[in-house]
Amino acid sequence: QQQVKQSPQSLIVQKGGISIINCAYENTAFDYFPWYQQFPGKGPALLIAIRPDVSEKKEGRFTISFNKSAKQFSLHIMDSQPGDSATYFCAASMTSGTYKYIFGTGTRLKVLA
Amino acid sequence: KAGVTQTPRYLIKTRGQQVTLSCSPISGHRSVSWYQQTPGQGLQFLFEYFSETQRNKGNFPGRFSGRQFSNSRSEMNVSTLELGDSALYLCASSLQGAGGNTIYFGEGSWLTVV
Repeated sequence: QQQVKQSPQSLIVQKGGISIINCAYENTAFDYFPWYQQFPGKGPALLIAIRPDVSEKKEGRFTISFNKSAKQFSLHIMDSQPGDSATYFCAASMTSGTYKYIFGTGTRLKVLA
Repeated sequence: KAGVTQTPRYLIKTRGQQVTLSCSPISGHRSVSWYQQTPGQGLQFLFEYFSETQRNKGNFPGRFSGRQFSNSRSEMNVSTLELGDSALYLCASSLQGAGGNTIYFGEGSWLTVV
């Protein structure tokens, strides 16, 4: 119940295309869902986050879609650029008392120029 | 505002040795958490500290320990190192802790055990 399942494991997209990464969770107590971007040799950096009271959140080219009933959320990267090539992690946490994130296994995105 | 600072960035240790990693959180952040990142297991939660108190601990053996000081800086220690402990150790800080809040990662300490 503590797992967050992420897919695909890797993704290759043409420049200008849309990258879509999906995550699913089981524990309905999760109420905060961030996405992190990690470049080689660097720590993960927060990209965008959503709470279950909204179905979509957009920041620039990055959009999170959230489906509470299906217990799924996804990251869409519009107009993907070579500079977006990185590993992306979804995560989930709960407000009440565990003080930790459960991370997905990561998606390695490569955007071809 | 300075980010999360971790030292050392890279280190090589021999099996059986111990290692101490250090983390300075973002100024004003009182929560520090630690994660282990490996290619096979992804990001795994080690423990979280807030105002010098450990509030949660992940599923790691007792060889992994940590502490937090009154200035919110934190250290983690791994004793009796094993080859499988080779990983990127990430520290993250936040105002109140990961429960429903954003955590900010440092660049990590790369540990290689030989």
